[in-house]
Amino acid sequence: ETGVTQTPRHLVMGMTNKKSLKCEQHLGHNAMYWYKQSAKKPLELMFVYNFKEQTENNSVPSRFSPECPNSSHLFLHLHTLQPEDSALYLCASSQELAGVRNEQFFGPGTRLTVL
Amino acid sequence: QKEVEQDPGPLSVPEGAIVSLNCTYSNSAFQYFMWYRQYSRKGPELLMYTYSSGNKEDGRFTAQVDKSSKYISLFIRDSQPSDSATYLCAMSGRNDYKLSFGAGTTVTVRA
Repeated sequence: ETGVTQTPRHLVMGMTNKKSLKCEQHLGHNAMYWYKQSAKKPLELMFVYNFKEQTENNSVPSRFSPECPNSSHLFLHLHTLQPEDSALYLCASSQELAGVRNEQFFGPGTRLTVL
Repeated sequence: QKEVEQDPGPLSVPEGAIVSLNCTYSNSAFQYFMWYRQYSRKGPELLMYTYSSGNKEDGRFTAQVDKSSKYISLFIRDSQPSDSATYLCAMSGRNDYKLSFGAGTTVTVRA
């Protein structure tokens, strides 16, 4: 595997379900990100981790719960979601958190549909 | 006012045409400017990365940054059907990890 991988690629869940999204980066990067991409809207930054420590929670509802066990893996735990949470969820990583080495590399995303 | 404005298109051009994409922004602290390309059902991939003002060329792609006008552009010369994608502009401050994205412009290059 190379780059940033995400599983599953597609997920359909009911509002009462609990599911998790997984992201893995094979680039040796130190920072990882979760973004939400909705149709015709800019990417919304949700969470940021740097060396496994959360550095950003962009006012995300508590029904989204991130977990970063190490610098290579990032999870997004989902529970009691709403239909408006349906979107493409993208994971990204960068060598460093800021500056010149903040080029962010994205995974293919998980297409989430909440019924 | 949105921090980054990008014309959503869609833009449809014949093969071989020059594609011109642009974004305007309001935050004068932005120093790094990026263009991402996103194919259907894929994540964004970094296409061009520019620091501060000026031009940068990479093959058929040219990125321009005009900080005085708060305006960035991406030009695609000799466009190919494989260039059909959504193009996202993004930018950040010097020591800021947060990227501010445009909403993306969808481009179709007709064979």
